Amino acid sequence: DTGVSQNPRHKITKRGQNVTFRCDPISEHNRLYWYRQTLGQGPEFLTYFQNEAQLEKSRLLSDRFSAERPKGSFSTLEIQRTEQGDSAMYLCASSLRASGRARYTQYFGPGTRLTVL
Amino acid sequence: AQSVTQLDSQVPVFEEAPVELRCNYSSSVSVYLFWYVQYPNQGLQLLLKYLSGSTLVESINGFEAEFNKSQTSFHLRKPSVHISDTAEYFCAVSPGGNTPLVFGKGTRLSVIA
Repeated sequence: DTGVSQNPRHKITKRGQNVTFRCDPISEHNRLYWYRQTLGQGPEFLTYFQNEAQLEKSRLLSDRFSAERPKGSFSTLEIQRTEQGDSAMYLCASSLRASGRARYTQYFGPGTRLTVL
Repeated sequence: AQSVTQLDSQVPVFEEAPVELRCNYSSSVSVYLFWYVQYPNQGLQLLLKYLSGSTLVESINGFEAEFNKSQTSFHLRKPSVHISDTAEYFCAVSPGGNTPLVFGKGTRLSVIA
């Protein structure tokens, strides 16, 4: 169990550029979630997947945002035409429908900090 | 829709003193409740969770939280804090278990030597 990994850890970009983040969940975790956290706030839900199917998208996810999870393994989150308001920490989490101690537990990655200049 | 209120944004406390971090939620359905901790420069880690059964749940490092359905609360407590408990604490709810979490704004616990 190597944990959830996210790349890159930091991204600085200019307004208007496109960026893509990657999340590798814990192997065999069938659910994968994306959240966004801004300074002084708790994480806010963006979208989530069960295997390769995107189950729900938040109203926060404008049409400039797109997420994929091909083959139900890693996931990517792309932001097109970035704006300064997109500056935040983007968090990925994964979970497994299981019993015992892992039941309903979401395991979080370290996050990708995006700064839009 | 669910929502979570953490009434205190910052809580300073002296080492070895007790602490309570408050969390209230609103939901029209039964929920599952979680406390996550975020240490400086680290990711979110699960501290404890309430799914069902006993309303008092405990973590391995001495924290405990009690689910109070009538008051819609899930306050986090520790009888004696350590410097290493300094962190941001987030309360969260989920209506369906393996569904997206709704987080509060967090409480920054600062333990003073």
